[in-house]
Amino acid sequence: GDSVTQMEGPVTLSEEAFLTINCTYTATGYPSLFWYVQYPGEGLQLLLKATKADDKGSNKGFEATYRKETTSFHLEKGSVQVSDSAVYFCALSDRAMNRDDKIIFGKGTRLHILP
Amino acid sequence: NAGVTQTPKFRILKIGQSMTLQCTQDMNHNYMYWYRQDPGMGLKLIYYSVGAGITDKGEVPNGYNVSRSTTEDFPLRLELAAPSQTSVYFCASSLAGGNTQYFGPGTRLTVL
Repeated sequence: GDSVTQMEGPVTLSEEAFLTINCTYTATGYPSLFWYVQYPGEGLQLLLKATKADDKGSNKGFEATYRKETTSFHLEKGSVQVSDSAVYFCALSDRAMNRDDKIIFGKGTRLHILP
Repeated sequence: NAGVTQTPKFRILKIGQSMTLQCTQDMNHNYMYWYRQDPGMGLKLIYYSVGAGITDKGEVPNGYNVSRSTTEDFPLRLELAAPSQTSVYFCASSLAGGNTQYFGPGTRLTVL
């Protein structure tokens, strides 16, 4: 079945460091890919998304490119801030065979940014 | 625009008690979901609904029930609470399947 695998955390970086959080997926159809962010004590909120191969999603300085050849959707940011400390979830929705009722979430990666 | 609202924010139950977690959305979304998030863990889907009058089981439905009588509301019922149901519960909604899901702030439930 469809699945999402993301790097385990926690990831600890200094402010202004470069961030990469790896995400790979398995899907039998044509997935849309998402990154959600969860700040402490809050619900998840969409950070960015991409709906087809080679699309790049971007928001708040974060970027991720939908790579069909490597089945990946890695999250990157050039210079992280303390306020980026949160848990990041990679997710997919598979449009094939009407399997897009649900979004499949990865287990989440906790990010700590040190001042 | 309130989005997705959940009540209560916090609740402590004794083993065997029952309660209903309320979820309401004002975005006229057809799809609604209930997830639980255990400490340090990812999300697990409990139940979901693709429209009023239609509900389906998710990954971990045992010990829970839902109903969807209106587009706006999707309450989650816990019968005979158990310590294993201690978790944070999130409600979410989306316009259609595969679309962005919008999450509520969560209900933190402790069963003692």
